[in-house]
Amino acid sequence: EAGVTQSPTHLIKTRGQQATLRCSPISGHTSVYWYQQALGLGLQFLLWYDEGEERNRGNFPPRFSGRQFPNYSSELNVNALELEDSALYLCASSPTGGTEAFFGQGTRLTVV
Amino acid sequence: DQQVKQNSPSLSVQEGRISILNCDYTNSMFDYFLWYKKYPAEGPTFLISISSIKDKNEDGRFTVFLNKSAKHLSLHIVPSQPGDSAVYFCAASPIRHTPLVFGKGTRLSVIA
Repeated sequence: EAGVTQSPTHLIKTRGQQATLRCSPISGHTSVYWYQQALGLGLQFLLWYDEGEERNRGNFPPRFSGRQFPNYSSELNVNALELEDSALYLCASSPTGGTEAFFGQGTRLTVV
Repeated sequence: DQQVKQNSPSLSVQEGRISILNCDYTNSMFDYFLWYKKYPAEGPTFLISISSIKDKNEDGRFTVFLNKSAKHLSLHIVPSQPGDSAVYFCAASPIRHTPLVFGKGTRLSVIA
């Protein structure tokens, strides 16, 4: 069974640009979570999508947004990139009613 | 305000000995606790969990202990192996199927 897959693995953008990160959950999982891991920090919760709806968002500005598609895959968009957005972005999925989240390998975003 | 705290950024243990990783939390609404392991350039992988109705859960070499009155949990690894060298994250959630809150992680080095 395929795990959570994220693309691209690495992404380099210039300050002010937009970045789009993609995530495919494990088959059968309806929830997708996005986390940011900046250098020296733990995993900071960004967004939670379930059944196509945004259920919750963490303490991040509105330029961090996303969506979940009918096939439960998800996209994270970061607008007006700032240098501090450089981090590892992790996507995780879980089945309906589950709590264990299964993570992808992450997308390393570098803003220069 | 950090709700899940891992106060030891790093820990070194000799192969074959016990590794004890600690985690404290402040939110008394947390009901479910998990440990994840993360290798460089990979996403976190789920290790073991415990619900608040239990005070111990064991899975092979890994045991998690929960002390609700002290708002403290610990992960014991016995015996420690070089392959256990990784960053360990403690995570918690108030109820099932909600985003996990993570600590900053503890880097474990098991020395042969």
